Amino acid sequence: AAGVIQSPRHLIKEKRETATLKCYPIPRHDTVYWYQQGPGQDPQFLISFYEKMQSDKGSIPDRFSAQQFSDYHSELNMSSLELGDSALYFCASNWAAGGSSYNEQFFGPGTRLTVL
Amino acid sequence: AQSVTQPDIHITVSEGASLELRCNYSYGATPYLFWYVQSPGQGLQLLLKYFSGDTLVQGIKGFEAEFKRSQSSFNLRKPSVHWSDAAEYFCAVGEGAGGYNKLIFGAGTRLAVHP
Repeated sequence: AAGVIQSPRHLIKEKRETATLKCYPIPRHDTVYWYQQGPGQDPQFLISFYEKMQSDKGSIPDRFSAQQFSDYHSELNMSSLELGDSALYFCASNWAAGGSSYNEQFFGPGTRLTVL
Repeated sequence: AQSVTQPDIHITVSEGASLELRCNYSYGATPYLFWYVQSPGQGLQLLLKYFSGDTLVQGIKGFEAEFKRSQSSFNLRKPSVHWSDAAEYFCAVGEGAGGYNKLIFGAGTRLAVHP
């Protein structure tokens, strides 16, 4: 079965650089969620998109932006990177329009971002 | 705002022993509750979920959890732990409506298994 795909899997950047993380949801899933997991921390919700529109926003810095495209893939853009942005970034998807029975989120393997 | 508390940061059990990981949540209505497992450097795998019906839910890998509204708890259990169960376990509550639910995670419980 198809799973959530994230690319790249690993990314190393310098401070003040920019990074773009990509997420390809499971086919027919209409909602994408982004989470950030710092070292030894629990995942924290950043932002979500439903049918290509931003549906919710969490603790996402202003330096970050995201969007969902017509093919439902999503990109998280991160600018002016800081050391504290080093984390595992997860993307998850589900079929929100299906109702509560379909609320299971399927997680991708994550992108490990290291900022030097 | 909803919150999830996992009181035990680290638990060590012997292989073959029983296991219970605690989870308490705060939420006004009936919550959507989840348990995820994460191996080091890996993604999150759903073990089980609860959103209505029978309060005892069965999951994968022999895990089960019981929803107790009176105690605001959703504890994860396994009767006999295997060495491969060593991992980080996260309890989460879904905040949203219908099929949309952003997840609020607890701090996690790291499980170590002694041979």
